[in-house]
Amino acid sequence: DAGVTQSPTHLIKTRGQQVTLRCSPISGHKSVSWYQQVLGQGPQFIFQYYEKEERGRGNFPDRFSARQFPNYSSELNVNALLLGDSALYLCASRRGKVMNTEAFFGQGTRLTVV
Amino acid sequence: DQQVKQNSPSLSVQEGRISILNCDYTNSMFDYFLWYKKYPAEGPTFLISISSIKDKNEDGRFTVFLNKSAKHLSLHIVPSQPGDSAVYFCAATILNYGGSQGNLIFGKGTKLSVKP
Repeated sequence: DAGVTQSPTHLIKTRGQQVTLRCSPISGHKSVSWYQQVLGQGPQFIFQYYEKEERGRGNFPDRFSARQFPNYSSELNVNALLLGDSALYLCASRRGKVMNTEAFFGQGTRLTVV
Repeated sequence: DQQVKQNSPSLSVQEGRISILNCDYTNSMFDYFLWYKKYPAEGPTFLISISSIKDKNEDGRFTVFLNKSAKHLSLHIVPSQPGDSAVYFCAATILNYGGSQGNLIFGKGTKLSVKP
């Protein structure tokens, strides 16, 4: 079975631009979470989606939005990019919605804002 | 305010010896704890977890200990192998919390180097 796949793997954007990151969960997994990892820090929770509905949101500005599609894939959208948005964006999928089921992470999208 | 703290940015251990990675937390509502391992250019990989109703969980060479009164957990790797060299993240969550399910709170990580 394929693991969690994220695209693109690397991206360079200019301040003020908008970006869309994509995630395909493991087959059969209905829950997708997004995390931001800046250099030297641990991943920070952005969103969780389960069965196409937002189930949780971290402390991020409204410039960050996401959605989940009927096939359970997900997109993370960031508007009006700032230099501080440069980070590794990780997607994690799990079969259920609660935390005691294992979360599988993708390899991440490295976003650089210049 | 960091709710999950890994105060050692790095740890170096000789192959065959024990590696002990430490993690402290401040939120007494956390009831489930996880360790993830991360190699460069890869996403974090789940290693082992422990519920707050236990004080120890073992899986092969990996054992996690939880001391609720001290709000402290540790990961023991015995024996350590060069392939264990990676960044280890401690994470915590509140199961069945109505507000933010899916929210894992991570520490900053500890880089483990196992020398042959």
